[in-house]
Amino acid sequence: DTGVSQNPRHKITKRGQNVTFRCDPISEHNRLYWYRQTLGQGPEFLTYFQNEAQLEKSRLLSDRFSAERPKGSFSTLEIQRTEQGDSAMYLCASSLAPFDRVNTGELFFGEGSRLTVL
Amino acid sequence: KNEVEQSPQNLTAQEGEFITINCSYSVGISALHWLQQHPGGGIVSLFMLSSGKKKHGRLIATINIQEKHSSLHITASHPRDSAVYICAVRWRDSNYQLIWGAGTKLIIKP
Repeated sequence: DTGVSQNPRHKITKRGQNVTFRCDPISEHNRLYWYRQTLGQGPEFLTYFQNEAQLEKSRLLSDRFSAERPKGSFSTLEIQRTEQGDSAMYLCASSLAPFDRVNTGELFFGEGSRLTVL
Repeated sequence: KNEVEQSPQNLTAQEGEFITINCSYSVGISALHWLQQHPGGGIVSLFMLSSGKKKHGRLIATINIQEKHSSLHITASHPRDSAVYICAVRWRDSNYQLIWGAGTKLIIKP
């Protein structure tokens, strides 16, 4: 297993278009997280899955954003009617266990998908 | 006041110097992460700890739960250590939330 992979790595789109990002977590990891990071800022939590269930969405995630993890493996993050403010790095992370299992709950991040909205 | 504060924000040092980056937090936590991010790159988890000290190669991380403080040390620093180092804490009252520090930008000059 090569770790968490995300694609595309870079996406340039015009305002108003829809974009979709994909995240393939480490295969045995049941927890998957999406974060957004803008330049010079720390990552902001967007949403979280345990297996196929989306357990939490941040208030940052407007109605234009939707995330799925249909079979509890890969996940997609779709942004509809993109706006310039959506330009950011979208990071995916996965982990094996709940946070209360300290020794095995370590997060593994993908390289991120950079979105530029013109 | 941010719940997780890192210092310094920026640090420039010469190759070989001993580096310390600090993280203070104000919430109850179950664990703390130190992560590394290179320019334009993804994030790599360096350490996850809830007590004491961990060491990987030239990197050492310590945490004092009572004082709500953690430090990341780099011994014999090298230009390839240049990156942003981020402290993030697992909020005790949540199963998934990480509260992130703003990061420390480290530049090691040859």
